[in-house]
Amino acid sequence: GDSVTQMEGPVTLSEEAFLTINCTYTATGYPSLFWYVQYPGEGLQLLLKATKADDKGSNKGFEATYRKETTSFHLEKGSVQVSDSAVYFCALSYSNYQLIWGAGTKLIIKP
Amino acid sequence: DAGVIQSPRHEVTEMGQEVTLRCKPISGHNSLFWYRQTMMRGLELLIYFNNNVPIDDSGMPEDRFSAKMPNASFSTLKIQPSEPRDSAVYFCASSLSAYSGNEQFFGPGTRLTVL
Repeated sequence: GDSVTQMEGPVTLSEEAFLTINCTYTATGYPSLFWYVQYPGEGLQLLLKATKADDKGSNKGFEATYRKETTSFHLEKGSVQVSDSAVYFCALSYSNYQLIWGAGTKLIIKP
Repeated sequence: DAGVIQSPRHEVTEMGQEVTLRCKPISGHNSLFWYRQTMMRGLELLIYFNNNVPIDDSGMPEDRFSAKMPNASFSTLKIQPSEPRDSAVYFCASSLSAYSGNEQFFGPGTRLTVL
């Protein structure tokens, strides 16, 4: 069945470091791909999305490119801040209501 | 826009007691989702409503769990009787439409502890 695999956390970086959080997926069709972020004590919120191959989603300095050939949607940011500390979830969805979630990756940024 | 509102934010109860969680979706959204989040199982979809009608409740763990949506602005998730393994964070989310590409807006969650 369809699934999403994320790199295990926690990922610990220093402020201004480059960030990559890996996400790969298994899908029988052509889903839309999402990154959601969960800050401490809050619900999830959409960070960015891409709906077809080669699309790049971007928001708040974060980027991810929908790569069909490698079935990946890695999250990147050029210079992280302490305020980026959160749990990041990769997810996929087809043309229905189901979001298939990755396990989440906790990111810790140290000043 | 106040976003999705959930109450209570924290609930501590004893095993066997009834628990009711409440959700007010964003006005104009016609899809509502209840999720449960635990360290062991991650994020699980419990039930999905479209236009106040339950469409998929296959994620509801067992008969002790029930959910209702009497109108477009209110939904409840009830656990009766509660058990310690129900301890989790329960999220309500809403969206304009459930279809692919549409953002789900999450509430802040209710942290449930069953002693």
